[in-house]
Amino acid sequence: DQQVKQNSPSLSVQEGRISILNCDYTNSMFDYFLWYKKYPAEGPTFLISISSIKDKNEDGRFTVFLNKSAKHLSLHIVPSQPGDSAVYFCAASEDFGNEKLTFGTGTRLTIIP
Amino acid sequence: EPEVTQTPSHQVTQMGQEVILRCVPISNHLYFYWYRQILGQKVEFLVSFYNNEISEKSEIFDDQFSVERPDGSNFTLKIRSTKLEDSAMYFCASTLRSEAFFGQGTRLTVV
Repeated sequence: DQQVKQNSPSLSVQEGRISILNCDYTNSMFDYFLWYKKYPAEGPTFLISISSIKDKNEDGRFTVFLNKSAKHLSLHIVPSQPGDSAVYFCAASEDFGNEKLTFGTGTRLTIIP
Repeated sequence: EPEVTQTPSHQVTQMGQEVILRCVPISNHLYFYWYRQILGQKVEFLVSFYNNEISEKSEIFDDQFSVERPDGSNFTLKIRSTKLEDSAMYFCASTLRSEAFFGQGTRLTVV
């Protein structure tokens, strides 16, 4: 039962352009959403989060958009840089500070110089 | 910058043997977790630990698994009798309020 889905296993984007990573969820109890970045042989690194009371959160080059009615969120990276090449995981929890994160399957982003 | 540290980075064990994976969470964090990632698959929640007891566990976390915080700093995951399908990356994480911070992971290989 995939409660958090990332339908694109991979994405290639030219350096300097915008990268858009998508995530869909099915559990209407999810209230808090996070994006993590993962390099090979390392643990996931927190990038940005959004609470369900917002529809947008921005941090530097990273912006997360949440469409609660569509149960969809997206991560925008602009401009994309070669160091952004990694696997990106969307994760969700049932409330802020809740312990359990449910992860998506990840999207491998490759930035082409 | 404070970080979650895990040891060992790689553990090879024979099927049926017990393994203990160790983690030192960030010192002022209150919630501790174990996740695993089987090669090529998603990161899966195993267990969360708060106030010296398990607060939630997944169906993966059966009687073969246990967690402990023996001395107020270390947080361990024990697998009593390892199976081939336990081979995975195991990630420890900790959080104070919201975003979980993950360790580098322990690669467990069961042969």
